[in-house]
Formats: sequence, structure tokens, C-alpha cells
Amino acid sequence: GAVVSQHPSWVICKSGTSVKIECRSLDFQATTMFWYRQFPKQSLMLMATSNEGSKATYEQGVEKDKFLINHASLTLSTLTVTSAHPEDSSFYICSARVAGVDAGELFFGEGSRLTVL
Amino acid sequence: GQNIDQPTEMTATEGAIVQINCTYQTSGFNGLFWYQQHAGEAPTFLSYNVLDGLEEKGRFSSFLSRSKGYSYLLLKELQMKDSASYLCAVMDSNYQLIWGAGTKLIIKP
Repeated sequence: GAVVSQHPSWVICKSGTSVKIECRSLDFQATTMFWYRQFPKQSLMLMATSNEGSKATYEQGVEKDKFLINHASLTLSTLTVTSAHPEDSSFYICSARVAGVDAGELFFGEGSRLTVL
Repeated sequence: GQNIDQPTEMTATEGAIVQINCTYQTSGFNGLFWYQQHAGEAPTFLSYNVLDGLEEKGRFSSFLSRSKGYSYLLLKELQMKDSASYLCAVMDSNYQLIWGAGTKLIIKP
């Protein structure tokens, strides 16, 4: 199947710093990518839908100024956690769907575990 | 509102069969997905059902009844490596995925 690569896999940062997470579709084009966060023993929570060339659509309760999403190309979306705090520590996962296919399989990145000290 | 229900946790024995149920109420329906997620890892795709009936794929099978808003994932010949969380997700009329909370499957020797 298609491959989605996420980087970095692990990141530890100090409180107040910003962290960027990249999500790349390696062998297909993705007009839409999704960003999730997952707390321990809980299900995925959709944070935002990232659309290539336009602004991301954020879910209710997700601060768009806190979690900056940029989808500059058909193969790359980035999530920047700005001024990170310990409560932002979580597992962040991206997923992508093949361009032009609305009802198809979602391919997931490996996930990025963020720890804010 | 939209809702996906699946059991929180199930336990089964190595070599046995287990069925994980999922019921849903969503705004429209464009398919139901099952994903497997090992602790600390991203989900991996298992199956996709959009028509009623059973889809078999090796040791895993998935069933869908749209009229009942019901699906199940059947795992046969259980192996220890099948210990994981199994996530049920429904795609609604806006092609958005609605996720269940996941079922943690514990396999005992």
C-alpha cells in the first residue's frame, strides 16, 4: 500500500519552544491530510484537516494559533506546536488519502511522540 | 449526534476465535473501516466494508449490516501478536471519519 512518513518519531523539548512535525506521502499525492492526537489508552482525536493550497479546517476546541498546519504541496503537510507546554505532550499522528479518492483507505504515518518538559 | 460503540476490552485465548462488535449512528454512510493499533504505534488498516456482507482476508474477516448499523471484526486462530487495540471507524456523508474509542484485545496463552 501507499506509504506515509512522519518525522520526527520522538521529540523532547522545553516548555515554551515550538516543535514542527512533518508528514509526507512518499509514493502518492494527497490533497488532504489529517492530523490526530492520541492520549494514552484513548482513541484518535481529529485535530484538523489539512488541504493542499488552502487553510486547514480545525475541529472544535483545537486552537488554530497553537497548532499551525501548513500543506504546501501535494506530498507534505506540517504541524507546528507553538509555545509547547507539558499538557501538549501527546502522540501526534497524520494520515493521508490518495488524491481524488474521497471514500478510500487512510494511510497513517508512524506517529510522533512529543514530550514537553 | 454521531456515535460509534465498541467494547472497551476483550480477552481471548491463543488459537481461539474472537468477534469484536461495532455499532454506529452517523450522518450518512460511506463505508466502515477497521484498524489495528499496537501500543505506541500508529493504526494499520485491516478492512473496509461499504456493502452488506462478509469480507474475508486471511485470518481476519469483517461483516457489515447497514440496516442495523452494525459491523463486526472476526479474528481466527488468534496469535499473541494480535494483542492490540482494534478501532472501528465510519465515514459519514461528508467523507469524514468518525472513530470509535477502540477495543483492547488481550490474548492469553
